[in-house]
Amino acid sequence: DIVMTQSPDSLAVSLGERATINCKSSQSVFYDSNKMNYLAWYQQKPGQPPKLLIYWASTRESGVPDRFSGSGSGTDFTLTITSLQAEDVAVYYCQQFYDMSHSFGQGTKVELK
Amino acid sequence: EVQLVESGGDLVQPGGSLRLSCAASGFIFKDYWMNWVRQAPGKGLEWVANIKKDGSDKYYVHSVNGRFTISRDTARNSLYLQMNSLRAEDTAVYYCARGARNSQYVYFDYWGQGTPVTVSS
Repeated sequence: DIVMTQSPDSLAVSLGERATINCKSSQSVFYDSNKMNYLAWYQQKPGQPPKLLIYWASTRESGVPDRFSGSGSGTDFTLTITSLQAEDVAVYYCQQFYDMSHSFGQGTKVELK
Repeated sequence: EVQLVESGGDLVQPGGSLRLSCAASGFIFKDYWMNWVRQAPGKGLEWVANIKKDGSDKYYVHSVNGRFTISRDTARNSLYLQMNSLRAEDTAVYYCARGARNSQYVYFDYWGQGTPVTVSS
């Protein structure tokens, strides 16, 4: 099974500043036949279910603000929030859907500084 | 509007059984793979199981294989998770989640609010 590791476990960012979350997979999640990275990002606020933000590593889900962006390929990925808003305080998870384990990272908690 | 509503969570003793349900609406249920994902208290997300749109294929995380059974009823637009031989480590909120495309290798675009399961004596 593919193991997903996020860093850092938590970070504190000032309003309007950039937040960067990293995600590393134990093996490549790039599928050569369609040239896609099988990687998604979710946001989870307290007491709520996860919400899909990004899929195929860099495609923003409909309705997600453009301050959220995803990048990376193969085994190394990044979620960037370019100008943090108060409503972005949450835990963020990466997930691979390259194999059947559909494994998630351990989560990164984003707080306000 | 897509809606997924879970039910059936409860307090159960170790070794006991429980059946979770997920009522789906707002989309053509038979066209999508469906999933169960769980989250232990204060912990991260763990995919549990999924089922093909016609119910012919089912997959499980290693830790529940042989104890849990996923199923679906197209006529009722419902997804189920039968959980047997429950253990303390099965304690979690269980979410129903829709696979976004016609594939088992897919991200999850809609999630229910979850139903809590507590395994304790």
